[in-house]
Amino acid sequence: KQEVTQIPAALSVPEGENLVLNCSFTDSAIYNLQWFRQDPGKGLTSLLLIQSSQREQTSGRLNASLDKSSGRSTLYIAASQPGDSATYLCAASPWGYQKVTFGTGTKLQVIP
Amino acid sequence: DGGITQSPKYLFRKEGQNVTLSCEQNLNHDAMYWYRQDPGQGLRLIYYSQIVNDFQKGDIAEGYSVSREKKESFPLTVTSAQKNPTAFYLCASSIDVQPQHFGDGTRLSIL
Repeated sequence: KQEVTQIPAALSVPEGENLVLNCSFTDSAIYNLQWFRQDPGKGLTSLLLIQSSQREQTSGRLNASLDKSSGRSTLYIAASQPGDSATYLCAASPWGYQKVTFGTGTKLQVIP
Repeated sequence: DGGITQSPKYLFRKEGQNVTLSCEQNLNHDAMYWYRQDPGQGLRLIYYSQIVNDFQKGDIAEGYSVSREKKESFPLTVTSAQKNPTAFYLCASSIDVQPQHFGDGTRLSIL
C-alpha cells in the first residue's frame, strides 16, 4: 500500500527566501506525482504534475523534481512571497484509476 | 468560467439525519470523485464515478451513498450510519485517470 509523507508539517520563512518542500513515497511504481496548493477553507489547485518518465517540471517560480528510485519529490519555491502562504500537498498516482494517494501536506507561512 | 460548484459551504447534521452534499461541474468531465479531509490526514476517497450511471466505492464508502444520473452532477449523501461525519468534503473531476479539478468544499458538522 502506497504511503505518502510530507515533512515538515509546517514551515515559516521570511519573504524572499528560497525554500524546498519534501514529499516521500514508499512505492516507486508510480504513474505520476502531482503537487497541489490548498488555501484555508478551499479546494485544491493543481500546481505541477510530473510524469514517471520525467525528472522535473517548472512553472514560474515553482520547480518540482521527481526521483523515483529514492521515492522522493521536492517542490522548490524561489523568492517566496506572502501570497505563497498555503498548504502544499503532494499526491502519488499508480498505474490505474482513481487510486491517488495524498500526503498530509506542509503548511507554509511566508512572513512579510 | 468552467469549474466545480459545491454547496452548501457549511452544513449541520442532526442525530439520525441524512444530509446531501451537492457537486456540479460544467467542465464536461466524465470522471467525478468525492474525498473526505480530516485534520492531519491526507484526502481519503469515498466514491468515484467514471461515467454516468456508474460509480465505485473508494476506501471509506461505509455510511455514504452517491448517484450519477447526469454527467454534470455527483451528489453525496451522508447517512445516519456514518457515525463520525464531521469533516471537510471535497468533490473533484477529471477528463482522464486522476482528480484534477476540485471544488471549494463543504464543511459538515454535527449539531
